[in-house]
Amino acid sequence: AQKVTQAQTEISVVEKEDVTLDCVYETRDTTYYLFWYKQPPSGELVFLIRRNSFDEQNEISGRYSWNFQKSTSSFNFTITASQVVDSAVYFCALSERFPGNTPLVFGKGTRLSVIA
Amino acid sequence: SAVISQKPSRDICQRGTSLTIQCQVDSQVTMMFWYRQQPGQSLTLIATANQGSEATYESGFVIDKFPISRPNLTFSTLTVSNMSPEDSSIYLCSVYLSTGGVGQFFGPGTRLTVL
Repeated sequence: AQKVTQAQTEISVVEKEDVTLDCVYETRDTTYYLFWYKQPPSGELVFLIRRNSFDEQNEISGRYSWNFQKSTSSFNFTITASQVVDSAVYFCALSERFPGNTPLVFGKGTRLSVIA
Repeated sequence: SAVISQKPSRDICQRGTSLTIQCQVDSQVTMMFWYRQQPGQSLTLIATANQGSEATYESGFVIDKFPISRPNLTFSTLTVSNMSPEDSSIYLCSVYLSTGGVGQFFGPGTRLTVL
């Protein structure tokens, strides 16, 4: 069975600090997809990234970066030079096989508070 | 990129009544997924809706309580029936889009409060 664990329930950092959100997953499939979403206080779920199991390259998008390591079943998310606008709940999610045909399994989320 | 809209965005309902939530996508999709997010919790899948067939429900969710329609490839509805305060949640529809940005996207959600 598939499972996503986000061990950090809440993190609080001071603005401009770097912060890493951890995500560990479990799956028996060799083909799977991993996602990160941001949920600001307004409630909408904002898609950040999708990564498939065959692509272990790390990705950088502005202040955001993702580290995918199959050896440790982890897909961690780092925000560099955090800003107050980064305050939100962040969810990591997993889809086995093709995500268009299978639903996502979500971690419990990590609430990030960035203090000015 | 494709747009996913939901109606209503929020509602306050009385115990025992029903509410139908609409999800509209501006491109055709095979599967649509309905999730529930209870206050302070993560997202839980309610059901998967495939056009032309009955929805597939997850354990703990039943068709009598959460009937779903999927009349075409761009639209679906979820009804929350005989509501109780425990149904107070955000309900979100989700689709996988492969044009204008590849990924699993979510509608803006319907915030339901049951009194």
